[in-house]
Amino acid sequence: QKEVEQNSGPLSVPEGAIASLNCTYSDRGSQSFFWYRQYSGKSPELIMSIYSNGDKEDGRFTAQLNKASQYVSLLIRDSQPSDSATYLCAAAMDSSYKLIFGSGTSLLVRP
Amino acid sequence: GAVVSQHPSRVICKSGTSVKIECRSLDFQATTMFWYRQFPKQSLMLMATSNEGSKATYEQGVEKDKFLINHASLTLSTLTVTSAHPEDSSFYICSARSSGEHQETQYFGPGTRLLVL
Repeated sequence: QKEVEQNSGPLSVPEGAIASLNCTYSDRGSQSFFWYRQYSGKSPELIMSIYSNGDKEDGRFTAQLNKASQYVSLLIRDSQPSDSATYLCAAAMDSSYKLIFGSGTSLLVRP
Repeated sequence: GAVVSQHPSRVICKSGTSVKIECRSLDFQATTMFWYRQFPKQSLMLMATSNEGSKATYEQGVEKDKFLINHASLTLSTLTVTSAHPEDSSFYICSARSSGEHQETQYFGPGTRLLVL
């Protein structure tokens, strides 16, 4: 069974620190990976997508992909209290375009 | 760009009635739309994949006769919860993927919170 694993947390960091969120996936055939942010009671919001090995930066966010280790991470620099949310990692399956979601990591940024 | 809307945002109904939820892609054509359900403190659960002009594909354990999906156009998909019961109370979220570059990307609607009394 194809899976995406995340530590449920909560991950607690002080304001201004770097938050590091990690994700592993089981299907070596997965080519596309996504990080979504979900605030309580709201629907997921796309933060980053990554398709190639290495780093991809967008503002305070950096996604990292290592296909050999089947590992995806999201770094949030200069964390703000408004970043407090659940972060969902997802991997795209084959040609069906389905996404397999991890269970999410809860992030708390302390003022 | 890539805006997806859902209507209604919240609905309360009596047990045994049917509820229709609409999902629209506002600024792009959505080849495929997906319907998810999320219970409190749990992750998203994919219910079905909806392709324009064809029958929806349901995930294992999801009753296709209870959750009717229609994808009549490239910008609209509907989910009808038939004969709703209290256990169907949940947060229903649709997503859409475009036919352009990076077709794997899904954009989510704001969700519909269903409460069945």
